[in-house]
Amino acid sequence: GENVEQHPSTLSVQEGDSAVIKCTYSDSASNYFPWYKQELGKGPQLIIDIRSNVGEKKDQRIAVTLNKTAKHFSLHITETQPEDSAVYFCAATATTSGTYKYIFGTGTRLKVLA
Amino acid sequence: NAGVTQTPKFQVLKTGQSMTLQCAQDMNHNSMYWYRQDPGMGLRLIYYSASEGTTDKGEVPNGYNVSRLNKREFSLRLESAAPSQTSVYFCASSPLGGTATGELFFGEGSRLTVL
Repeated sequence: GENVEQHPSTLSVQEGDSAVIKCTYSDSASNYFPWYKQELGKGPQLIIDIRSNVGEKKDQRIAVTLNKTAKHFSLHITETQPEDSAVYFCAATATTSGTYKYIFGTGTRLKVLA
Repeated sequence: NAGVTQTPKFQVLKTGQSMTLQCAQDMNHNSMYWYRQDPGMGLRLIYYSASEGTTDKGEVPNGYNVSRLNKREFSLRLESAAPSQTSVYFCASSPLGGTATGELFFGEGSRLTVL
């Protein structure tokens, strides 16, 4: 079935450094790739998303890139801050009988060290 | 603005007991979803409802049933709980669905322990 692989599972960076999280997907019909941030004890929240007709999207310190040919997409966080510490999930859409579902990666625990 | 509300937040069950997790959204969204979150496995889709009156299986539906009671509410039922169903359950909703895609809005989760 469809799946999304996410790496690394844990990532520690010094405050001010950049962090990169990578995902690959299997369903070539996927057309929407969101990234979610989950803080301790909370539900995931969307931080940025990209559609298949766009190669890159930026929002202040975060950016997402998409390579449709290789079926992978990445989250880039620059100038990391302690409040960026959280679990990050990528997701891709997958189709079943014309209906889209969201398949999530296994998550990356990001620790920003002060 | 409440968003997506899940109840209960915590529950402990014994093996074989049944229970229902409730979810309600006040955003007039069409689609609703139930996910479970387990360490190292991310979020896995149990069931979803693309619109009022329809439900479909996700990746891990065995041992669960759902009801889309109306546009606002989507409940998840465990008929005979097993220790393997110990997990954190998240309900989510989306204004879109079907052939359109967009942001998922998540509740704060329900932590279930089955002894």
